[in-house]
Amino acid sequence: EVQLVESGGGLVKPGGSLRLSCAASGFTFSDYSMNWVRQAPGKGLEWVSSISATSYYIYYADSVKGRFTISRENAKNSLFLQMKFLRAEDTAVYYCVQSRSLEYYFDYWGQGTLVTVSS
Amino acid sequence: EIVLTQSPATLSLSPGERATLSCRASQSVSNYLAWYQQKAGQAPRLLIYDASNRATGIPARFSGSGSGTDFTLTISSLEPEDFAVYFCQQRSTWPRTFGRGTKLEIK
Repeated sequence: EVQLVESGGGLVKPGGSLRLSCAASGFTFSDYSMNWVRQAPGKGLEWVSSISATSYYIYYADSVKGRFTISRENAKNSLFLQMKFLRAEDTAVYYCVQSRSLEYYFDYWGQGTLVTVSS
Repeated sequence: EIVLTQSPATLSLSPGERATLSCRASQSVSNYLAWYQQKAGQAPRLLIYDASNRATGIPARFSGSGSGTDFTLTISSLEPEDFAVYFCQQRSTWPRTFGRGTKLEIK
């Protein structure tokens, strides 16, 4: 069974930094692309970033480009999102999501971790 | 960026009725469109991919159709567990985009 468990969320002040982690299990992590998708409270879904299985290809939404960095460590079945210069509008639940490839949909979702940016 | 417009924003129906949800793209996405279901307090779940294919484990009462710019998700006979929010999403181009969602509520 695919399991994706996010951690690292919390309350941070505007301009601050946070690093999210996602622990994956139940599948061969190094064979899959991974993604971060976020959802502001009571709002819709917003794609944030994607990384290919080997980390060769990486994509970012314009809203986070230059501030967020996605990475992965296949040996540890882990996905990361380093977030810097956080803004109030980054407040959201951040989901770790598996895709069979970059050119596919979002197959399996974790339960999410809440990031709140507030002074 | 491709904008996906979902309608209606809210749909009020009773169990057993047929639900028809719409998603319109600002430019052609071919058939590269998916539908997700999100129940309250839960993560989204992939329902339909490539416009008309049911994901693993999705009941046959869910069906998708369309291509180009106009897409439809149909639930043939609503079960109590189907009342949720439904999002469409395109993978035709980067950035990947989602519609704002249709809330399917019990009438």
